[in-house]
Amino acid sequence: SQTIHQWPATLVQPVGSPLSLECTVEGTSNPNLYWYRQAAGRGLQLLFYSVGIGQISSEVPQNLSASRPQDRQFILSSKKLLLSDSGFYLCAWSVWGNSNQPQHFGDGTRLSIL
Amino acid sequence: QKEVEQDPGPLSVPEGAIVSLNCTYSNSAFQYFMWYRQYSRKGPELLMYTYSSGNKEDGRFTAQVDKSSKYISLFIRDSQPSDSATYLCAMMVQGAQKLVFGQGTRLTINP
Repeated sequence: SQTIHQWPATLVQPVGSPLSLECTVEGTSNPNLYWYRQAAGRGLQLLFYSVGIGQISSEVPQNLSASRPQDRQFILSSKKLLLSDSGFYLCAWSVWGNSNQPQHFGDGTRLSIL
Repeated sequence: QKEVEQDPGPLSVPEGAIVSLNCTYSNSAFQYFMWYRQYSRKGPELLMYTYSSGNKEDGRFTAQVDKSSKYISLFIRDSQPSDSATYLCAMMVQGAQKLVFGQGTRLTINP
């Protein structure tokens, strides 16, 4: 069966510091991968998605970037964090080749910027 | 106007009650509809996935889609305290990668 791992679960960072959040998927090949952000009391906002290694699409212009160095690894980064980057960051995957398959989520990273 | 509207609640019902959760949407191009359950400090878990209009049943859960009214529902029968969570509706246009989510409804089932 497929599993998705995100770490760390919780992170507290000062304003202006860099960020690297990692997500890996097991049990499937060539998954579509996604990064979402969930603000308190709000729905999920898609930040980036990737249909293959090195292929990144950005949905929202912002202070963040994403990379996919390996087939089942997706990384969310920032060079300098802003207060507004606080939130719950979720990684998700879906089956490659069919964009209308449901997405499956990890347990997220709760990021607090001080 | 948001593409997907969902009453955030909170909704509180007694154990054993039938729960009805709803979302309305404005984009008639949505064809794929999902319901996710999210426990506190966890990621969303897929409950139901449906295509176009109609009903789908899975155990105590029933999902309904009415495309003519742009309205989807999730019914929970014989609700249990373990069903207490936030329920998110989500939908997708054919061929798109982007899921559009509702705000989520916080549900509490009281023993």
